[in-house]
Amino acid sequence: AQSVTQPDIHITVSEGASLELRCNYSYGATPYLFWYVQSPGQGLQLLLKYFSGDTLVQGIKGFEAEFKRSQSSFNLRKPSVHWSDAAEYFCAVGEDYGGSQGNLIFGKGTKLSVKP
Amino acid sequence: DAGVIQSPRHEVTEMGQEVTLRCKPISGHNSLFWYRQTMMRGLELLIYFNNNVPIDDSGMPEDRFSAKMPNASFSTLKIQPSEPRDSAVYFCASSFGLAPDTQYFGPGTRLTVL
Repeated sequence: AQSVTQPDIHITVSEGASLELRCNYSYGATPYLFWYVQSPGQGLQLLLKYFSGDTLVQGIKGFEAEFKRSQSSFNLRKPSVHWSDAAEYFCAVGEDYGGSQGNLIFGKGTKLSVKP
Repeated sequence: DAGVIQSPRHEVTEMGQEVTLRCKPISGHNSLFWYRQTMMRGLELLIYFNNNVPIDDSGMPEDRFSAKMPNASFSTLKIQPSEPRDSAVYFCASSFGLAPDTQYFGPGTRLTVL
């Protein structure tokens, strides 16, 4: 069965510092990969997604992620964190029901705190 | 464009009462998902519809939970009878396409069962 692991439950970084959030997945074929962000009291918002092609994908708010098949990873990065980035981040992998609409499997999330 | 709409945004009820949560997906989307989020268990998929047909309801906790999608623009999640352990934020999401694709989430319904 497919699964997603986010090893870090909570990360604190200083404003202006770089950020990397880890995500590892388990999937037999080429996965559909996503990063979502959830601000307090809000629903989840898509940051970026990877389906195929260039393994480095750019997203909104200055985020990027790199797909590494050999490591089964899809880590999220940002070169300089802003206080408004404080939120919870979820990695997800898509299931493919053989051409029909599939479901997403979400990781447990990583909560990001930003120090002034 | 309107996103996914959920109502009510907040619901407080007493144990044993029936609770109905509502969702209007984005127009044109053909898949709809109901999730539950708690501190202890994180984000859990409850049920998933494609073209108004339930595809996977293995996440529905027990017979007290039921979901319907009578048409492409409306879905309900019902809990009867409700219990305090059902307290959570319930999200509805919708997506479009023939492969796993972006799910657009609603703002959620915060349910408190006293």
